[in-house]
Amino acid sequence: DAKTTQPPSMDCAEGRAANLPCNHSTISGNEYVYWYRQIHSQGPQYIIHGLKNNETNEMASLIITEDRKSSTLILPHATLRDTAVYYCIVNLGADKLIFGTGTRLQVFP
Amino acid sequence: EPEVTQTPSHQVTQMGQEVILRCVPISNHLYFYWYRQILGQKVEFLVSFYNNEISEKSEIFDDQFSVERPDGSNFTLKIRSTKLEDSAMYFCASSQGQGFFVTEAFFGQGTRLTVV
Repeated sequence: DAKTTQPPSMDCAEGRAANLPCNHSTISGNEYVYWYRQIHSQGPQYIIHGLKNNETNEMASLIITEDRKSSTLILPHATLRDTAVYYCIVNLGADKLIFGTGTRLQVFP
Repeated sequence: EPEVTQTPSHQVTQMGQEVILRCVPISNHLYFYWYRQILGQKVEFLVSFYNNEISEKSEIFDDQFSVERPDGSNFTLKIRSTKLEDSAMYFCASSQGQGFFVTEAFFGQGTRLTVV
């Protein structure tokens, strides 16, 4: 599985967009980019995934660069409840997900 | 919205005792998993289960661990002789499949296991 690199922590003001970057320079052609988050000690929560194209759902948008070596998760209007650890995972599918240390996002009032 | 449910939410057990952690995956899902997270550490993959057998397991999943799908709804993790280092949050997850591609996995809220 490809290794990902994320900043350990980020801050974001409530109501502003949170842009969380992820580098995955060794990603292979058929590997997907998954984003999960973990609020406090709850179970990881699926956010979004993509292969090549940008994706959007009710939670977030995922922007994947053309060379697929990096991606950005965008929470368009962050709220205090979005404070969590965000994990970027590169995988062939959703089985055997390998979680790293993620980015701890702190949303402040 | 369908969800993965786990019971109990917290289990305390004596070292050397057997424990069974229970999970009810989302009903139309075909793939089932157990992960664990020791306090302050990463979420770690333990085992995946498909078509009534283990499809993959990690080095952590040794002979003291076993999984079972005893009926059409439950998925269990048994730890035969618990050790202090088994204390962790255990997460169950499930996902659908689309051919050879496994779609997103949905996690339960976890069972906190404390071995004393």
